[in-house]
Amino acid sequence: QKEVEQNSGPLSVPEGAIASLNCTYSDRGSQSFFWYRQYSGKSPELIMSIYSNGDKEDGRFTAQLNKASQYVSLLIRDSQPSDSATYLCAVRNGNKLVFGAGTILRVKS
Amino acid sequence: DAMVIQNPRYQVTQFGKPVTLSCSQTLNHNVMYWYQQKSSQAPKLLFHYYDKDFNNEADTPDNFQSRRPNTSFCFLDIRSPGLGDAAMYLCATSRGGVSQPQHFGDGTRLSIL
Repeated sequence: QKEVEQNSGPLSVPEGAIASLNCTYSDRGSQSFFWYRQYSGKSPELIMSIYSNGDKEDGRFTAQLNKASQYVSLLIRDSQPSDSATYLCAVRNGNKLVFGAGTILRVKS
Repeated sequence: DAMVIQNPRYQVTQFGKPVTLSCSQTLNHNVMYWYQQKSSQAPKLLFHYYDKDFNNEADTPDNFQSRRPNTSFCFLDIRSPGLGDAAMYLCATSRGGVSQPQHFGDGTRLSIL
């Protein structure tokens, strides 16, 4: 079992819709969770972090964490073509981040 | 702006010819990381420094080494690059602590001829 699992996609949504990206992790003791966005050929860019159960909102982005289910999600409201990228879920393990392989999101105009 | 800077952005080397990639930071973060990322794969941690303490991942090939002469700089040395080492190499930094995110440089794309 991989430590951090994501559906590779691609997830295709129309412009203006809500995109929902999901991630599960295996280490029940994990405390910190991050979402990174990575455009093709570029480096990962931090967009959200979450540490407590529940929802955390930042602009059009909402991160959701359920530690009992070992599940993290990212919602993107009013999706724009510029949101088309690979979204990486990352889970902190000590000093290290363990990344999922990412979900490709395509927003169609 | 405080940032993580990687040089060069693109590096071409010959099979077996040593190559060094560099990373510098103005964030004054005490942890620095090197990742290898191949197409459509997750970034793979090679090693990290917590201050001066070097931490090597168990599956990092011996071909890969690193140096951190001071807080601001960290280098990745590939002693004898093989074709399988062609990848994007990412440097990242963070403060210590479980809640701290990592901040990435723009990466170096390494090609092997």
